[in-house]
Amino acid sequence: ELKVEQNPLFLSMQEGKNYTIYCNYSTTSDRLYWYRQDPGKSLESLFVLLSNGAVKQEGRLMASLDTKARLSTLHITAAVHDLSATYFCAVVQGAQKLVFGQGTRLTINP
Amino acid sequence: DAGVTQSPTHLIKTRGQQVTLRCSPKSGHDTVSWYQQALGQGPQFIFQYYEEEERQRGNFPDRFSGHQFPNYSSELNVNALLLGDSALYLCASSFDPWTGTTDTQYFGPGTRLTVL
Repeated sequence: ELKVEQNPLFLSMQEGKNYTIYCNYSTTSDRLYWYRQDPGKSLESLFVLLSNGAVKQEGRLMASLDTKARLSTLHITAAVHDLSATYFCAVVQGAQKLVFGQGTRLTINP
Repeated sequence: DAGVTQSPTHLIKTRGQQVTLRCSPKSGHDTVSWYQQALGQGPQFIFQYYEEEERQRGNFPDRFSGHQFPNYSSELNVNALLLGDSALYLCASSFDPWTGTTDTQYFGPGTRLTVL
Protein backbone atom coordinates (compact mmCIF):
# COMPACT_ATOMS: atom_id res chain seq x y z
CA GLU A 1 0.00 0.00 0.00
CA LEU A 2 1.32 3.40 -1.00
CA LYS A 3 2.08 5.67 1.94
CA VAL A 4 2.95 9.34 1.72
CA GLU A 5 4.59 11.12 4.63
CA GLN A 6 5.28 14.81 5.00
CA ASN A 7 7.46 16.59 7.47
CA PRO A 8 7.27 18.74 9.30
CA LEU A 9 3.53 18.66 10.00
CA PHE A 10 3.60 22.12 11.55
CA LEU A 11 5.98 24.91 10.65
CA SER A 12 6.10 28.39 12.08
CA MET A 13 8.59 30.72 10.51
CA GLN A 14 9.44 34.35 10.20
CA GLU A 15 9.01 36.43 7.10
CA GLY A 16 12.14 36.57 5.01
CA LYS A 17 13.43 33.15 6.04
CA ASN A 18 13.90 30.06 3.87
CA TYR A 19 12.59 26.62 4.65
CA THR A 20 11.89 23.22 3.07
CA ILE A 21 8.98 20.81 3.37
CA TYR A 22 9.74 17.16 2.68
CA CYS A 23 7.51 14.53 1.12
CA ASN A 24 8.48 10.84 1.17
CA TYR A 25 6.51 8.09 -0.52
CA SER A 26 6.79 4.35 -0.24
CA THR A 27 6.33 2.93 -3.75
CA THR A 28 7.15 3.93 -7.29
CA SER A 29 4.95 6.52 -8.94
CA ASP A 30 5.21 8.53 -12.13
CA ARG A 31 3.60 11.72 -10.88
CA LEU A 32 3.73 13.85 -7.77
CA TYR A 33 1.63 16.91 -7.03
CA TRP A 34 1.82 19.77 -4.59
CA TYR A 35 -1.36 21.50 -3.51
CA ARG A 36 -2.10 24.46 -1.28
CA GLN A 37 -5.17 24.70 0.94
CA ASP A 38 -6.32 27.82 2.78
CA PRO A 39 -8.56 27.38 5.86
CA GLY A 40 -12.06 26.30 4.87
CA LYS A 41 -11.16 26.30 1.20
CA SER A 42 -10.49 23.74 -1.49
CA LEU A 43 -7.17 22.59 -2.91
CA GLU A 44 -5.22 24.76 -5.30
CA SER A 45 -2.79 23.03 -7.63
CA LEU A 46 0.77 24.35 -7.33
CA PHE A 47 3.04 21.92 -9.17
CA VAL A 48 3.00 18.60 -10.99
CA LEU A 49 6.33 16.78 -11.18
CA LEU A 50 6.60 14.08 -13.81
CA SER A 51 10.16 12.81 -13.91
CA ASN A 52 13.27 12.26 -11.89
CA GLY A 53 15.15 15.47 -11.36
CA ALA A 54 12.15 17.62 -12.26
CA VAL A 55 12.28 21.09 -10.77
CA LYS A 56 9.52 23.67 -11.00
CA GLN A 57 9.39 27.19 -9.61
CA GLU A 58 6.61 29.69 -9.15
CA GLY A 59 7.42 32.87 -7.29
CA ARG A 60 8.90 32.03 -3.89
CA LEU A 61 8.07 28.32 -4.15
CA MET A 62 10.23 25.69 -5.81
CA ALA A 63 9.45 21.98 -5.98
CA SER A 64 11.76 19.13 -6.92
CA LEU A 65 11.46 15.40 -7.34
CA ASP A 66 13.94 12.55 -6.79
CA THR A 67 12.20 9.37 -7.88
CA LYS A 68 15.10 7.15 -6.86
CA ALA A 69 14.92 8.40 -3.28
CA ARG A 70 11.11 8.67 -3.50
CA LEU A 71 11.42 12.18 -2.17
CA SER A 72 10.02 15.53 -3.15
CA THR A 73 10.79 18.87 -1.59
CA LEU A 74 8.92 22.16 -1.55
CA HIS A 75 11.31 25.01 -0.86
CA ILE A 76 10.12 28.40 0.30
CA THR A 77 12.40 31.35 -0.31
CA ALA A 78 12.15 34.61 1.64
CA ALA A 79 8.75 33.72 3.06
CA VAL A 80 5.94 36.24 3.13
CA HIS A 81 2.73 36.16 5.18
CA ASP A 82 0.58 35.37 2.12
CA LEU A 83 2.21 31.95 1.91
CA SER A 84 0.61 30.88 5.20
CA ALA A 85 -1.52 27.82 4.36
CA THR A 86 -1.52 24.04 4.53
CA TYR A 87 0.57 22.35 1.85
CA PHE A 88 -0.11 18.82 0.66
CA CYS A 89 1.90 16.53 -1.52
CA ALA A 90 0.06 13.77 -3.35
CA VAL A 91 1.32 10.80 -5.32
CA VAL A 92 -0.55 9.04 -8.11
CA GLN A 93 -1.48 5.40 -7.66
CA GLY A 94 -3.10 3.52 -10.52
CA ALA A 95 -4.94 5.56 -13.15
CA GLN A 96 -5.45 8.81 -11.31
CA LYS A 97 -5.98 7.99 -7.65
CA LEU A 98 -4.17 10.53 -5.51
CA VAL A 99 -2.70 9.46 -2.18
CA PHE A 100 -2.12 12.52 -0.01
CA GLY A 101 0.30 13.22 2.75
CA GLN A 102 -0.93 14.51 6.10
CA GLY A 103 -0.26 18.10 5.13
CA THR A 104 2.15 20.72 6.49
CA ARG A 105 0.51 23.65 8.23
CA LEU A 106 2.71 26.64 7.52
CA THR A 107 2.42 29.84 9.54
CA ILE A 108 4.53 32.82 8.56
CA ASN A 109 4.88 35.50 11.17
CA PRO A 110 5.84 39.13 10.52
CA ASP B 1 -14.30 28.45 -17.86
CA ALA B 2 -16.36 27.80 -14.72
CA GLY B 3 -13.96 25.24 -13.27
CA VAL B 4 -15.17 22.40 -11.08
CA THR B 5 -18.44 23.18 -9.32
CA GLN B 6 -20.09 21.37 -6.44
CA SER B 7 -23.43 21.59 -4.72
CA PRO B 8 -24.58 22.14 -2.11
CA THR B 9 -21.94 24.14 -0.26
CA HIS B 10 -23.02 23.03 3.17
CA LEU B 11 -25.33 20.31 4.39
CA ILE B 12 -26.54 19.20 7.80
CA LYS B 13 -28.02 15.74 8.24
CA THR B 14 -28.81 13.41 11.13
CA ARG B 15 -27.52 9.91 11.68
CA GLY B 16 -29.17 7.27 9.51
CA GLN B 17 -30.19 9.69 6.78
CA GLN B 18 -29.04 9.60 3.19
CA VAL B 19 -27.29 12.38 1.26
CA THR B 20 -26.50 13.15 -2.37
CA LEU B 21 -23.70 15.49 -3.38
CA ARG B 22 -23.22 16.79 -6.91
CA CYS B 23 -20.25 17.75 -9.03
CA SER B 24 -19.81 19.28 -12.48
CA PRO B 25 -16.32 18.84 -13.92
CA LYS B 26 -14.16 21.45 -15.57
CA SER B 27 -14.91 21.92 -19.26
CA GLY B 28 -13.14 19.29 -21.37
CA HIS B 29 -12.59 16.90 -18.47
CA ASP B 30 -14.08 13.42 -18.54
CA THR B 31 -12.89 11.85 -15.29
CA VAL B 32 -14.32 12.67 -11.87
CA SER B 33 -12.87 11.60 -8.54
CA TRP B 34 -14.32 12.04 -5.07
CA TYR B 35 -12.35 12.58 -1.88
CA GLN B 36 -13.28 12.84 1.78
CA GLN B 37 -11.31 15.25 3.94
CA ALA B 38 -11.80 15.03 7.68
CA LEU B 39 -10.83 18.03 9.76
CA GLY B 40 -7.06 18.38 10.00
CA GLN B 41 -6.37 15.48 7.65
CA GLY B 42 -5.35 15.01 4.05
CA PRO B 43 -8.03 14.06 1.53
CA GLN B 44 -8.84 10.34 1.23
CA PHE B 45 -9.78 8.85 -2.14
CA ILE B 46 -13.32 7.48 -2.29
CA PHE B 47 -13.72 6.49 -5.95
CA GLN B 48 -13.26 7.63 -9.53
CA TYR B 49 -15.63 7.62 -12.48
CA TYR B 50 -14.77 7.47 -16.15
CA GLU B 51 -17.16 6.78 -19.03
CA GLU B 52 -19.99 6.43 -16.52
CA GLU B 53 -18.32 3.56 -14.71
CA GLU B 54 -16.49 3.30 -11.40
CA ARG B 55 -12.86 2.73 -12.35
CA GLN B 56 -11.08 2.81 -9.00
CA ARG B 57 -12.29 2.65 -5.43
CA GLY B 58 -10.65 3.46 -2.12
CA ASN B 59 -11.23 1.86 1.26
CA PHE B 60 -14.76 3.08 1.81
CA PRO B 61 -17.81 0.94 2.63
CA ASP B 62 -20.63 0.22 0.22
CA ARG B 63 -22.66 2.94 1.90
CA PHE B 64 -20.71 5.24 -0.39
CA SER B 65 -21.86 4.99 -3.98
CA GLY B 66 -21.72 7.17 -7.01
CA HIS B 67 -22.80 7.80 -10.52
CA GLN B 68 -21.50 9.60 -13.58
CA PHE B 69 -23.84 10.99 -16.20
CA PRO B 70 -23.31 11.25 -19.98
CA ASN B 71 -22.37 14.93 -19.59
CA TYR B 72 -19.56 13.79 -17.19
CA SER B 73 -21.18 15.30 -14.10
CA SER B 74 -21.25 13.06 -11.07
CA GLU B 75 -23.08 12.34 -7.84
CA LEU B 76 -21.85 10.92 -4.57
CA ASN B 77 -24.44 9.16 -2.42
CA VAL B 78 -23.94 8.20 1.19
CA ASN B 79 -26.51 6.02 2.93
CA ALA B 80 -27.07 5.39 6.64
CA LEU B 81 -25.00 8.38 7.68
CA LEU B 82 -22.70 8.08 10.67
CA LEU B 83 -21.23 10.82 12.80
CA GLY B 84 -17.83 9.92 11.33
CA ASP B 85 -19.03 10.84 7.85
CA SER B 86 -18.83 14.51 8.81
CA ALA B 87 -16.18 15.96 6.53
CA LEU B 88 -15.44 18.13 3.53
CA TYR B 89 -16.24 16.20 0.37
CA LEU B 90 -14.14 17.23 -2.60
CA CYS B 91 -14.72 16.49 -6.22
CA ALA B 92 -11.81 16.59 -8.65
CA SER B 93 -11.89 16.43 -12.42
CA SER B 94 -9.21 15.62 -14.95
CA PHE B 95 -8.63 14.49 -18.50
CA ASP B 96 -8.02 10.76 -18.75
CA PRO B 97 -4.27 10.14 -19.20
CA TRP B 98 -4.76 6.84 -21.00
CA THR B 99 -6.43 8.58 -23.91
CA GLY B 100 -4.75 11.96 -23.87
CA THR B 101 -2.26 14.19 -22.22
CA THR B 102 -1.52 13.67 -18.57
CA ASP B 103 -3.22 16.40 -16.61
CA THR B 104 -3.59 17.74 -13.12
CA GLN B 105 -6.66 17.01 -11.04
CA TYR B 106 -8.57 20.20 -10.41
CA PHE B 107 -10.59 20.35 -7.23
CA GLY B 108 -13.96 21.92 -6.65
CA PRO B 109 -14.83 24.08 -3.65
CA GLY B 110 -16.19 21.11 -1.70
CA THR B 111 -19.35 20.29 0.21
CA ARG B 112 -19.14 20.53 3.99
CA LEU B 113 -21.28 17.72 5.43
CA THR B 114 -22.18 17.75 9.11
CA VAL B 115 -23.88 14.70 10.60
CA LEU B 116 -25.61 15.25 13.95
